[in-house]
Amino acid sequence: GENVEQHPSTLSVQEGDSAVIKCTYSDSASNYFPWYKQELGKRPQLIIDIRSNVGEKKDQRIAVTLNKTAKHFSLHITETQPEDSAVYFCAASIGSSNYKLTFGKGTLLTVNP
Amino acid sequence: DADVTQTPRNRITKTGKRIMLECSQTKGHDRMYWYRQDPGLGLRLIYYSFDVKDINKGEISDGYSVSRQAQAKFSLSLESAIPNQTALYFCATSDSWTTGETQYFGPGTRLLVL
Repeated sequence: GENVEQHPSTLSVQEGDSAVIKCTYSDSASNYFPWYKQELGKRPQLIIDIRSNVGEKKDQRIAVTLNKTAKHFSLHITETQPEDSAVYFCAASIGSSNYKLTFGKGTLLTVNP
Repeated sequence: DADVTQTPRNRITKTGKRIMLECSQTKGHDRMYWYRQDPGLGLRLIYYSFDVKDINKGEISDGYSVSRQAQAKFSLSLESAIPNQTALYFCATSDSWTTGETQYFGPGTRLLVL
């Protein structure tokens, strides 16, 4: 089955710096890669996603890049703010069935004021 | 997202007891999922359903069963709870017709098995 590795498990940055979280996946048939943000005590919420026919996608301060050849994708957050502090999960579709996801183990991002 | 609700929000039970976690949604979505979250392990899929007559196992279905009583309701049962089922359980929904792959999560049920 699909295996998703996420690094780092914890990341601490100063406010205003950039943060990068990386994920690798094993199933070359995967074609959908979402990122979820989970604030402390809250539910996971989708923040951005990318499909296999696109190499990069941006939404204000966040961006995701995908390298299908290398089977890795990354989340980039620029100009970090304290409210960006949360656990971030990457996920990859199980094969081409984009309704089933395998999640990474999460990255705890702390943005220090 | 208040459109996906879970009951109870917290539950303490004893080993061997049968318990049911319930999920309801008013989003009109056809797909529903149950995940468990453990510290350091991310979210793992237990079961998923595409409609009332469709139930599928996820990666960790052993020890669990589900029921899709209606399009809006999806229940998770632990027939005989054991301590390693202590976890945070999330229900999620998605809509194959409009929003596609985006999954919307409920607030979670924190379960402690003693």
